[in-house]
Amino acid sequence: GAGVSQSPSNKVTEKGKDVELRCDPISGHTALYWYRQSLGQGLEFLIYFQGNSAPDKSGLPSDRFSAERTGGSVSTLTIQRTQQEDSAVYLCASGMNTEAFFGQGTRLTVV
Amino acid sequence: KQEVTQIPAALSVPEGENLVLNCSFTDSAIYNLQWFRQDPGKGLTSLLLIQSSQREQTSGRLNASLDKSSGRSTLYIAASQPGDSATYLCAVPYSGAGSYQLTFGKGTKLSVIP
Repeated sequence: GAGVSQSPSNKVTEKGKDVELRCDPISGHTALYWYRQSLGQGLEFLIYFQGNSAPDKSGLPSDRFSAERTGGSVSTLTIQRTQQEDSAVYLCASGMNTEAFFGQGTRLTVV
Repeated sequence: KQEVTQIPAALSVPEGENLVLNCSFTDSAIYNLQWFRQDPGKGLTSLLLIQSSQREQTSGRLNASLDKSSGRSTLYIAASQPGDSATYLCAVPYSGAGSYQLTFGKGTKLSVIP
């Protein structure tokens, strides 16, 4: 079956512009995670959605970052007024019972 | 707060060797532990999931063990191959914030030399 799909796979944007990153989870998975991985660094938790519960936003680094999950399925991570330090690979995962499956990521480069 | 540590940070072995990667966690109240593999520039591939009630899981040449009481897991790779070269990450769900975000170690970068 289809895995977690992220789009775009690569995004280059100018500093100060807004970007939207999309994640299509595996059908039926109730949990959805966003992580960020900067060059040579570990995975940094951003946000977690579980069913209809309020999301855990404790990892979002600033109010420029937001995410939503529509209809319990597709999720969009939005970064407003991008900065160079936002350059990273953004990884999405979906799961059931805390077992997670990751997409291939979106590589964001802010120039 | 859950903290996950992986040792060693990097490992280089000749092809054919058996090897062990280590993962430790500070809060033993975990639901499960998951091992992932990450190839350069790629996402994470799930390798094995061990439930808290299990002591080990096997998939092909991979065997993962879990000792909750001591806060440790090991990933054993038998008869290593150059294609095993990647970064290996372990992760545990952390419910301290009321959610189940996964807490990751920083990974072990494995190089298998032909």
